Amino acid sequence: DAGVIQSPRHEVTEMGQEVTLRCKPISGHNSLFWYRQTMMRGLELLIYFNNNVPIDDSGMPEDRFSAKMPNASFSTLKIQPSEPRDSAVYFCASSHSDRGSNQPQHFGDGTRLSIL
Amino acid sequence: GQNIDQPTEMTATEGAIVQINCTYQTSGFNGLFWYQQHAGEAPTFLSYNVLDGLEEKGRFSSFLSRSKGYSYLLLKELQMKDSASYLCAVRPLWDYKLSFGAGTTVTVRA
Repeated sequence: DAGVIQSPRHEVTEMGQEVTLRCKPISGHNSLFWYRQTMMRGLELLIYFNNNVPIDDSGMPEDRFSAKMPNASFSTLKIQPSEPRDSAVYFCASSHSDRGSNQPQHFGDGTRLSIL
Repeated sequence: GQNIDQPTEMTATEGAIVQINCTYQTSGFNGLFWYQQHAGEAPTFLSYNVLDGLEEKGRFSSFLSRSKGYSYLLLKELQMKDSASYLCAVRPLWDYKLSFGAGTTVTVRA
């Protein structure tokens, strides 16, 4: 079975440019999570969706970040304008979630983002 | 929110046993997860505990005490490939998200 698929795997761009990260969750999973990982701050949850609806975006650093999930098989995380401090590895994860269940989250390979 | 603590680094010898402790403070709790992350790779799921006690999966075991807000991951018969970061994560009650600890980097030496 295909796992969580993220693209691109690597992105290098200049500050001020728009960056779009893409994620395809595992088929049948109804929750999708966007994380950012840095040495300083570890793995941080940015936003998560359940049944395509954003549930908690309290981790989104500021208005420059936005995320969408137009359907069950696709999500985007956009940074506009990008800044050097946004450089990090961005992971997407998905799981099958319902109240009381403990299905694990499965992570994609991540996007390594460098803003120059 | 959750306050999750785990040691930063541990070193052990090939064939030995290592125990990684995790303590947490949370207003509501619905499960504790352990993930393994090799350098430059994504986290991968290892185990989860909901009830008190020990869960065993081959060379890896995880223990939970809900009353003490404490868990540990036990790695037995260490192999070089076990060198990785191990992340403890807590799921709040009636929520789908996980809060991750900073991770424990385990180095296995020959």
